[in-house]
Amino acid sequence: EAGVTQFPSHSVIEKGQTVTLRCDPISGHDNLYWYRRVMGKEIKFLLHFVKESKQDESGMPNNRFLAERTGGTYSTLKVQPAELEDSGVYFCASSHLPGQGFGYTFGSGTRLTVV
Amino acid sequence: AQTVTQSQPEMSVQEAETVTLSCTYDTSESDYYLFWYKQPPSRQMILVIRQEAYKQQNATENRFSVNFQKAAKSFSLKISDSQLGDAAMYFCAYRKGGTDKLIFGTGTRLQVFP
Repeated sequence: EAGVTQFPSHSVIEKGQTVTLRCDPISGHDNLYWYRRVMGKEIKFLLHFVKESKQDESGMPNNRFLAERTGGTYSTLKVQPAELEDSGVYFCASSHLPGQGFGYTFGSGTRLTVV
Repeated sequence: AQTVTQSQPEMSVQEAETVTLSCTYDTSESDYYLFWYKQPPSRQMILVIRQEAYKQQNATENRFSVNFQKAAKSFSLKISDSQLGDAAMYFCAYRKGGTDKLIFGTGTRLQVFP
């Protein structure tokens, strides 16, 4: 089966611009997660979708971040306007059965650089 | 709040040797899971090994094994017979039972020398 796909793999934008990251989960996985790693720090949870609904968005840093998952398939994460501190690697993951103690399947991440 | 600490930013090992990566965590929960993830350069993060907190036996996956010390809240990863392909960032992660959120450490970069 195809894995979790994220694109772009890299993005360099100027402060104040808008960027949209996309994640295609494994087909049939209802659960989709976004995480972020700021350089040198831990990977932090952003939010969790179950199908098209936001199950938990407690990790979203502020209202400049907007995540959507229309139709319960792929998801987008928009940053508008981008700030320097938004730079980092954004990971997407998906899973079929939540809360079972199994690990997710992660994508390769999108490296975002805001200059 | 739960936290995960990886105190070794970088480690190195020679091919065929054994290396241990450290991870400690803090939680007051009794039902939880622990994971080690590996991220090779520019590639996806993959699950290496997982441990259920209620299991006393240490998990093993081929050359990868853990030393799970529940009382000490320690969860180290041992890689035996290291291979060049083991070079990667390794992240320790915690997940409370019944939840879906992973809490990660800051990662350990492992270099493997021929």
